[in-house]
Amino acid sequence: GAVVSQHPSWVICKSGTSVKIECRSLDFQATTMFWYRQFPKQSLMLMATSNEGSKATYEQGVEKDKFLINHASLTLSTLTVTSAHPEDSSFYICSARSASGSEVLKVQYFGPGTRLTVT
Amino acid sequence: SQQGEEDPQALSIQEGENATMNCSYKTSINNLQWYRQNSGRGLVHLILIRSNEREKHSGRLRVTLDTSKKSSSLLITASRAADTASYFCATVGNTGGFKTIFGAGTRLFVKA
Repeated sequence: GAVVSQHPSWVICKSGTSVKIECRSLDFQATTMFWYRQFPKQSLMLMATSNEGSKATYEQGVEKDKFLINHASLTLSTLTVTSAHPEDSSFYICSARSASGSEVLKVQYFGPGTRLTVT
Repeated sequence: SQQGEEDPQALSIQEGENATMNCSYKTSINNLQWYRQNSGRGLVHLILIRSNEREKHSGRLRVTLDTSKKSSSLLITASRAADTASYFCATVGNTGGFKTIFGAGTRLFVKA
């Protein structure tokens, strides 16, 4: 099956620093990748939709200058949390959708997530 | 959640029993999907049901969809301790990049 990886698995950083999280589709090409964040015991909240070669589309309430998304290739998207603060601590999950087939019926494949802790 | 509610929020059953989880959503959809998440891990896709389908089966899973009520249910039959996880429904709309929006989730505990 399709595999999506994330790196790092977890990261601890100091307040004010920036952290980059990578999301890769390992065995398929993904025109669209999604970034979600999840607080403990809560659901996934969509942050932004990332399309290869174009600007990301952010959901309402998500600061695009704080959460920088780059989708430079069909297999890689990155999320950079800039000037991180303790309230940014969360579980960040990416997902990727295959480039082939009917767009609306495609399954999203999820990465294992990255746990960010800002001290 | 961004899309709708799931109930119950948490469910505890004995191994061998059936587990039913319900999901309601707010907008019109193209399809609805169910995912499973083990604690602190990524999501695993379980099943997809299209808006013109009413019921779908996959192994011990049975999903129903009622678009008139904007609701879906997931039934897990003959549950096992390994089924312990959080279960989320997710909807895909017909516009807006076909993004997947998740419900609040149900935490299932299956006791051996």
